[in-house]
Amino acid sequence: GQSLEQPSEVTAVEGAIVQINCTYQTSGFYGLSWYQQHDGGAPTFLSYNALDGLEETGRFSSFLSRSDSYGYLLLQELQMKDSASYFCAVRPMDTGRRALTFGSGTRLQVQP
Amino acid sequence: SQTIHQWPATLVQPVGSPLSLECTVEGTSNPNLYWYRQAAGRGLQLLFYSVGIGQISSEVPQNLSASRPQDRQFILSSKKLLLSDSGFYLCAWREDRAYEQYFGPGTRLTVT
Repeated sequence: GQSLEQPSEVTAVEGAIVQINCTYQTSGFYGLSWYQQHDGGAPTFLSYNALDGLEETGRFSSFLSRSDSYGYLLLQELQMKDSASYFCAVRPMDTGRRALTFGSGTRLQVQP
Repeated sequence: SQTIHQWPATLVQPVGSPLSLECTVEGTSNPNLYWYRQAAGRGLQLLFYSVGIGQISSEVPQNLSASRPQDRQFILSSKKLLLSDSGFYLCAWREDRAYEQYFGPGTRLTVT
């Protein structure tokens, strides 16, 4: 089976850097994804790590270490609009199951 | 470009009434389609997924059902709603070998 654990809440100030961790227990997966969801809205894709290492997309970076069963999302130069929930997700290699498994989400609150 | 539609946006239904939520995708062929439910402040629970017309996999046994009568149409139904069916219902699609998953705008269902 698969389970992904994230902190439930993180608070940071505008302009700061914040790291949201995701630890997982899974028998095998294709890659680690991150999604952002604002209150009342739908999740939107942020980043994907197929291989170990760091992927950078503007102010957001994501990291994966399969040997440590660990990944994180790094948000730099925080802005108020970054206040949202962030979910990590994996697509397991289970035979026939072509669906993402999501973590429980981390609510990020950016303060002035 | 691809778009995904869901309707209605909000719905208030009494306990014991039927339910039908519809999702359609444009601009892609033979997508994988998904129904998720999200309780307030919680993560995404996968309900059903479909890899083709008439092919439905159920993740959670409950009083809901899904159907895929056409390639780009996915319907979530219930014969008799329960209070516990309240939540935010999200439809999503993904190309089979792609890693990015796209979500519809969601339907907020309140069962009273």
